[in-house]
Amino acid sequence: NAGVMQNPRHLVRRRGQEARLRCSPVKGHSHVYWYRQLPEEGLKFMVYLQKENIIDESGMPKERFSAEFPKEGPSILRIQQVVRGDSAAYFCASSPEKGKSPLHFGNGTRLTVT
Amino acid sequence: GQSLEQPSEVTAVEGAIVQINCTYQTSGFYGLSWYQQHDGGAPTFLSYNALDGLEETGRFSSFLSRSDSYGYLLLQELQMKDSASYFCAAYGQNFVFGPGTRLSVLP
Repeated sequence: NAGVMQNPRHLVRRRGQEARLRCSPVKGHSHVYWYRQLPEEGLKFMVYLQKENIIDESGMPKERFSAEFPKEGPSILRIQQVVRGDSAAYFCASSPEKGKSPLHFGNGTRLTVT
Repeated sequence: GQSLEQPSEVTAVEGAIVQINCTYQTSGFYGLSWYQQHDGGAPTFLSYNALDGLEETGRFSSFLSRSDSYGYLLLQELQMKDSASYFCAAYGQNFVFGPGTRLSVLP
């Protein structure tokens, strides 16, 4: 079974452009979490989605950021009009059920805004 | 809200035992988990405690006390490859991670 697949692995964007980060969870997993990590820092929760629904987006900025997990296809984290402060590693994780199973992480997308 | 606290750094020598503590505040608590992350890598799952007590997995053990909102990760027979960051994570309304403890294992 393939693990969590994230792409691209590295993404460079100029200020003002849009960034789209993709995450394909482990097959059969319907719970997806997105985290942001700055160098030398912890994993900051952004959003929790279950197929077609946003369950908790309390960690995601209200402006410029959006996330989706459609019935078919990968979960997408979208950042519009990127700024230098958006530069970070973005990790996606999936689990088969809420609260009882470990999270399986992807290798992350390193976003650099120039 | 949810928050977790853990020491920022721990240093130990090869072969030693080290304990990394974690205290948490969260609503709807299911359990406490531990993850390891090497520099530039993805977090990987180490252990999960849903009930009070000690869980042992090889050289690693994890403990939970729900009444004290406290847990720890115990690493025995430390090896150089154990140098990494270790995160506790509370499973509640969602998964919230602590700030991480950077473990340095010295020869």
